[in-house]
Amino acid sequence: GAGVSQSPSNKVTEKGKDVELRCDPISGHTALYWYRQSLGQGLEFLIYFQGNSAPDKSGLPSDRFSAERTGGSVSTLTIQRTQQEDSAVYLCASSPTGQPQHFGDGTRLSIL
Amino acid sequence: AQSVSQHNHHVILSEAASLELGCNYSYGGTVNLFWYVQYPGQHLQLLLKYFSGDPLVKGIKGFEAEFIKSKFSFNLRKPSVQWSDTAEYFCAVKPATSGTYKYIFGTGTRLKVLA
Repeated sequence: GAGVSQSPSNKVTEKGKDVELRCDPISGHTALYWYRQSLGQGLEFLIYFQGNSAPDKSGLPSDRFSAERTGGSVSTLTIQRTQQEDSAVYLCASSPTGQPQHFGDGTRLSIL
Repeated sequence: AQSVSQHNHHVILSEAASLELGCNYSYGGTVNLFWYVQYPGQHLQLLLKYFSGDPLVKGIKGFEAEFIKSKFSFNLRKPSVQWSDTAEYFCAVKPATSGTYKYIFGTGTRLKVLA
């Protein structure tokens, strides 16, 4: 596709369950970012990938959060034992290099 | 901690009015600065950026932003807005430090332009 694709677009799950969010960046984009946006808040940085490696994981809020990227393309963000405060829109962005340039539509995660 | 403040959360203007959206950041070192825009129903996208040089940066669609280092500000301006400028605008800052990729975003300003 032409843009950054994220799936699912919406996810509702019960507290304590694990969730996996997917990001398919623009082909050829080596830089990939995950952000989250809680209600009324700015975008909160989670993790940055350059290729398959993650030189900056400083934004992951706890060890329940992890992310990986394989083949320098698709990335998955996994949240284990979800909590209500994890409810947010999770955004992925990719770029040929440097700053986040192309964002996806996001995954709206709701924890019941 | 580094932060970005956008003091205007909602702005309503009539077409042809001038626009200035405020952005202030807290970081003592060298920074890279950005404005992003999200039009209704569309993705967030980069509007303009500043790395170094001329502090007045021109972006797409007639937008510009001025970096004033002494004020830690990077305000977005447009001399005459159009209805199509209705969108949410986000300011972002990144410390120009090697090894950090943490772009810090403000909470956004929703602009509504009345036709």
